Amino acid sequence: EVHLLESGGGLVQPGGSLRLSCAASGFTFSSYVMSWVRQPPGKGLEWVSAITGSGGITHYADSVRGRFTISRDNSRNTLYLQMNSLRPEDTAVYYCAQDQPGPWNYDCWGQGTLVTVSS
Amino acid sequence: QSALTQPASVSGSPGQSITISCTGTSSDVGGYNYVSWYQQHPGKAPKLMVYEVSNRPSGVSNRFSGSKSGNTASLTISGLQAEDEADYYCSAYTSSNTLIFGGGTKLTVL
Repeated sequence: EVHLLESGGGLVQPGGSLRLSCAASGFTFSSYVMSWVRQPPGKGLEWVSAITGSGGITHYADSVRGRFTISRDNSRNTLYLQMNSLRPEDTAVYYCAQDQPGPWNYDCWGQGTLVTVSS
Repeated sequence: QSALTQPASVSGSPGQSITISCTGTSSDVGGYNYVSWYQQHPGKAPKLMVYEVSNRPSGVSNRFSGSKSGNTASLTISGLQAEDEADYYCSAYTSSNTLIFGGGTKLTVL
């Protein structure tokens, strides 16, 4: 069974940094594109970033490009999101998701981790 | 890039059918067949209901169906049931190699 577990969320001041992790199990991690999607409290979903199975290609939403970095460690079956220069508008539940079936579809999600950016 | 346009809310009675629209542009919805629909209950992670316009993942009821015409995609739920009450989001791949979501539609089963 596919399982994704995010961690690393918390309270951070504006301008600060945070690194999220997503531990994957139940599938061949290196074979799948992985993505981050976020959801501000009481609001809709926003795609954040995606990374290919090898880690060689990454994509970012305009709202986070240049501030966030997605990466993965296939030996540890773990996806990461390094978030720098955080803003209050980055406050959200961050989900990791497996691209399956096919590209740009998410059939498996983690439970999410809450990031709060506030002074 | 602005979110795809969805109605804020729709409602229907048990047994009825409803349709939720999702309007984008030729650079996203109209340009590719990577349109998906997600169901989200309060406090839960989203669940994929339809992918690539009209395909259903294993385990999803055939009461859920998707279609697309031009720059507008649609999700139809037939035989409404109480458990269908949730938020629904569409998503579409874009020409910028990104994904864009709709603003979400709250479905109320009367």
